[in-house]
Amino acid sequence: EVQLVESGGGLVKPGGSLRLSCAASGFTFNRYAMNWVRQAPGKGLEWVSSISSSSNYIYYADSVKGRFTVSRDTAKNSLYLQMNSLRAEDTAVYYCARARRYDILTGTDYWGQGTLVTVSS
Amino acid sequence: DVQMTQSPSSLSASVGDRVTITCQASQDIGNYLNWYQQKPGKAPKVLIYDASNLETGVPSRFSGTGSGTDFTFIISSLQPEDIATYYCQQYDNPPLTFGGGTKVEIK
Repeated sequence: EVQLVESGGGLVKPGGSLRLSCAASGFTFNRYAMNWVRQAPGKGLEWVSSISSSSNYIYYADSVKGRFTVSRDTAKNSLYLQMNSLRAEDTAVYYCARARRYDILTGTDYWGQGTLVTVSS
Repeated sequence: DVQMTQSPSSLSASVGDRVTITCQASQDIGNYLNWYQQKPGKAPKVLIYDASNLETGVPSRFSGTGSGTDFTFIISSLQPEDIATYYCQQYDNPPLTFGGGTKVEIK
């Protein structure tokens, strides 16, 4: 059974940093691209970042470019999102989502339950 | 960037009604489109991928059509458990943009 479990969310002050993790199980992690998607309270879904299976291709939303860094560790079957210079508008539930194949441009199939990040003083 | 215009933003329908949601892309995205269902407090769930393919285990009352710039999502007979917000998402080009969502309620 495919499982994605996010962790690392919490309350952080503006300008602070946080590192989210997504532990993957039930599939061969290094064969799939992965994504981060977020949802601000009461708002719609916003794509944040994608990373290909080999980490050769990485994309970011303009809203996070230069502040967030996505990475993955095949040995630990984990996806990460390093978030720096956090702003109030980064407050959201962050989901990790598996792509259908190794390539980023294949849509998603499985999603985690999300982790809440709150940026507030 | 590809803009996804989803409509309506909300709708109210009776149990058994046919429900139609549309998504228009600002440029040709082929068939690179997902439809998601999201219930309150839950993660989104993929219902349709590649514009018209039903995800495994999803009831056949859900369907999707379209290609290029115009896409349609249909619930053929609305059930009480279908109350949710539905989103489209294109994955032809990064950023992988979502539509604004359609909140479906029971009349």
